[in-house]
Amino acid sequence: GAVVSQHPSRVICKSGTSVKIECRSLDFQATTMFWYRQFPKQSLMLMATSNEGSKATYEQGVEKDKFLINHASLTLSTLTVTSAHPEDSSFYICSAGRGTGGGNQPQHFGDGTRLSIL
Amino acid sequence: DAKTTQPNSMESNEEEPVHLPCNHSTISGTDYIHWYRQLPSQGPEYVIHGLTSNVNNRMASLAIAEDRKSSTLILHRATLRDAAVYYCILRSSSNFGNEKLTFGTGTRLTIIP
Repeated sequence: GAVVSQHPSRVICKSGTSVKIECRSLDFQATTMFWYRQFPKQSLMLMATSNEGSKATYEQGVEKDKFLINHASLTLSTLTVTSAHPEDSSFYICSAGRGTGGGNQPQHFGDGTRLSIL
Repeated sequence: DAKTTQPNSMESNEEEPVHLPCNHSTISGTDYIHWYRQLPSQGPEYVIHGLTSNVNNRMASLAIAEDRKSSTLILHRATLRDAAVYYCILRSSSNFGNEKLTFGTGTRLTIIP
């Protein structure tokens, strides 16, 4: 069964709206979660690393004021797309891993959130 | 993370084995080889990973070359549900806690009924 839950699965809203996406680890604690964005027919691009209890680490070119990340507990990270515009329409995916084994641990992914801004 | 090279696409007949290759000539000694797959409109799904020895699980087998510069994901009996994009990714164990995955373009596997 799913070990990472992402909600909502789909959002359609008007330009200028802020949208919050939740990512939960269901049966383990995750000090680190990752947020990806995927445009049609492209691969996943890492946006940011979400760290429990501290600031997120953003990849180059990702606006931290545009994509707000909060990781307030060991099982929940949220991504808020502020004042969304049509160019923010994309498939957003989160991931988390058990423990701190680094390369020897698989990452578990949510089912993604398809965001459509009209 | 070191880079991997995969064919853009492959086709296979249903119920036959599939061998998906991956080249990673710049792999370091601390890099694990991970495979994930992504079905349409879904998040990626973990398939298998290994370091040096071949690995088997309920989904697939991973064959790792002796010099570790290449690997092959083996689906023993492909079904239509195996149609997906398969990603081969190297993940360092030296960056303790820095566990991000860098996705390449992957291999789009088509299963022919």
